[in-house]
Amino acid sequence: SQKIEQNSEALNIQEGKTATLTCNYTNYSPAYLQWYRQDPGRGPVFLLLIRENEKEKRKERLKVTFDTTLKQSLFHITASQPADSATYLCALLPQFKIIFGSGTRLSIRP
Amino acid sequence: KAGVTQTPRYLIKTRGQQVTLSCSPISGHRSVSWYQQTPGQGLQFLFEYFSETQRNKGNFPGRFSGRQFSNSRSEMNVSTLELGDSALYLCASSFDDRGRTDTQYFGPGTRLTVL
Repeated sequence: SQKIEQNSEALNIQEGKTATLTCNYTNYSPAYLQWYRQDPGRGPVFLLLIRENEKEKRKERLKVTFDTTLKQSLFHITASQPADSATYLCALLPQFKIIFGSGTRLSIRP
Repeated sequence: KAGVTQTPRYLIKTRGQQVTLSCSPISGHRSVSWYQQTPGQGLQFLFEYFSETQRNKGNFPGRFSGRQFSNSRSEMNVSTLELGDSALYLCASSFDDRGRTDTQYFGPGTRLTVL
């Protein structure tokens, strides 16, 4: 069956360290993969999109990798700050659909 | 540009009632999708509308329905409400050029509580 897993329901990181979140999927062949941030009581906010032919994408302190052989994406936040605390969702776009992972709740402690 | 707006923001209903939620997409966006988010199931896709037609549908019962108007505004309706329908209902819009689902911009959601 098709599955998306975001390892670690919750992750606690010391401020200033790099946070690394994982998204694994099975039985999909997504053309795109996206990462979103969601704060409590609000809708997800788009952060980054990476295409299947791209290995890495960066935006300011964010970096995403996409390994279609391993069927895995890694999401990194460098120099993490308490304001980065939120739930982060990965989403696959196999074709005309978008499928979300269950999210990882990231907490950055001062 | 104004973002995606959803009304109402909060709603309390009782079992057996029906409810209609509204979504206004970002100006110029043609695709509107609806999602249900619960703590147990996460974010689940309900359906997507494009040019007033339902283009994709998730695995929800027929009690969940929607429509899109010519100005791209969308409504979703849930009939015969059940306790398990309590959730945050999110609407997302995208420009969707060349027929691909692209970056989605989410509204703040409607928090539905069924008593």
